[in-house]
Amino acid sequence: GAGVSQTPSNKVTEKGKYVELRCDPISGHTALYWYRQSLGQGPEFLIYFQGTGAADDSGLPNDRFFAVRPEGSVSTLKIQRTERGDSAVYLCASSFQWNTEAFFGQGTRLTVV
Amino acid sequence: AQSVTQLDSQVPVFEEAPVELRCNYSSSVSVYLFWYVQYPNQGLQLLLKYLSGSTLVESINGFEAEFNKSQTSFHLRKPSVHISDTAEYFCAVSDLGGTSYGKLTFGQGTILTVHP
Repeated sequence: GAGVSQTPSNKVTEKGKYVELRCDPISGHTALYWYRQSLGQGPEFLIYFQGTGAADDSGLPNDRFFAVRPEGSVSTLKIQRTERGDSAVYLCASSFQWNTEAFFGQGTRLTVV
Repeated sequence: AQSVTQLDSQVPVFEEAPVELRCNYSSSVSVYLFWYVQYPNQGLQLLLKYLSGSTLVESINGFEAEFNKSQTSFHLRKPSVHISDTAEYFCAVSDLGGTSYGKLTFGQGTILTVHP
């Protein structure tokens, strides 16, 4: 497709479980970003990839959160031992390079029960 | 560290009325400034941006924003709104000297509701 694709669109999981959220960026975009948006708040930066490497992971809240981008395209955000406070919409964005416009996907709504 | 404050969480207006959505930021370094819009059931879309040059920037659908460095503001304005402008609007900043200007600090958002 032409835009950033995120799957699944909705995910409900039980407290303590492990989840993976997937992001397919726009083809050819080297930069990829993950954000988290809690209810009533603006998005908060989590991590930025340039190619395969995490150039900036300063926004990851703790070591339960991890993200990979092994081939410099698709990225997976992984959350271990989920907690109810992890419930949010997780947004992915990509850009052609570090200094160009970021395009956002529609997000994955994660609900931890 | 940077922060962004959007002073109004909700702004109701009537169609064809003017509107201003306020945004103030705090940063110890120079920044790039952005407005993003999120229409119902859609992802965030870039509306306009200030990188350098003229402090007044415009979008293709009639919005404009002016960078005011002394007041650290980047308010969004439109002289006459349409029903289709109903959406949530987010102001965001990025560190001019940072790793990427896709690393954004967002405000809390302003829900603009245009009534007929």
